[in-house]
Amino acid sequence: AQKITQTQPGMFVQEKEAVTLDCTYDTSDPSYGLFWYKQPSSGEMIFLIYQGSYDQQNATEGRYSLNFQKARKSANLVISASQLGDSAMYFCAMREGQRGGSYIPTFGRGTSLIVHP
Amino acid sequence: NAGVTQTPKFQVLKTGQSMTLQCAQDMNHEYMSWYRQDPGMGLRLIHYSVGAGITDQGEVPNGYNVSRSTTEDFPLRLLSAAPSQTSVYFCASSDPGTPSTGQYFGPGTRLTVT
Repeated sequence: AQKITQTQPGMFVQEKEAVTLDCTYDTSDPSYGLFWYKQPSSGEMIFLIYQGSYDQQNATEGRYSLNFQKARKSANLVISASQLGDSAMYFCAMREGQRGGSYIPTFGRGTSLIVHP
Repeated sequence: NAGVTQTPKFQVLKTGQSMTLQCAQDMNHEYMSWYRQDPGMGLRLIHYSVGAGITDQGEVPNGYNVSRSTTEDFPLRLLSAAPSQTSVYFCASSDPGTPSTGQYFGPGTRLTVT
């Protein structure tokens, strides 16, 4: 079974608007971490934001915020005030470890975001 | 710091050939990993290492070998290349003491097997 599910293969947003990219996860480990990465067309993987399972507050990094709903096992990425340069693939990932996991993240299949001018 | 470096950037192999993809990091990270990226499949973990001398299999290990003799280097060996191994390969490293910084990725190696 997939541990990370990204149900939106593609998303479109108007420049300057906010967009939410969905991510749900599956784990029985009480200690885990969630990540979002951006992959522009140039191919490099860029780390955006991290949320630990014990963190009380939602993580924020500039225009990126992570809407962490632990009971629903969701970790959606919110990008505010979209810019043309936000057009890219976005990957959600999860690291487990306490119950025999490897502490190495596993990734979802990604969501392609296109920002329209 | 160079971060994570990978060589080569591009490679074409014939079926049955073997080769080694190189990965090195200069951040003294304990954890290193290899992923492959195929269209619509995200990144899938091939092998990983939590320290020098320690390696383990990921989700898709068949056809690949790894070793970790030093903290810096984590080469990936293709034993007998097959067309199904055509993919983009990423090496990554991370510090287990600071998970909030995420993994550092190399630029990737685009491999084509004909």
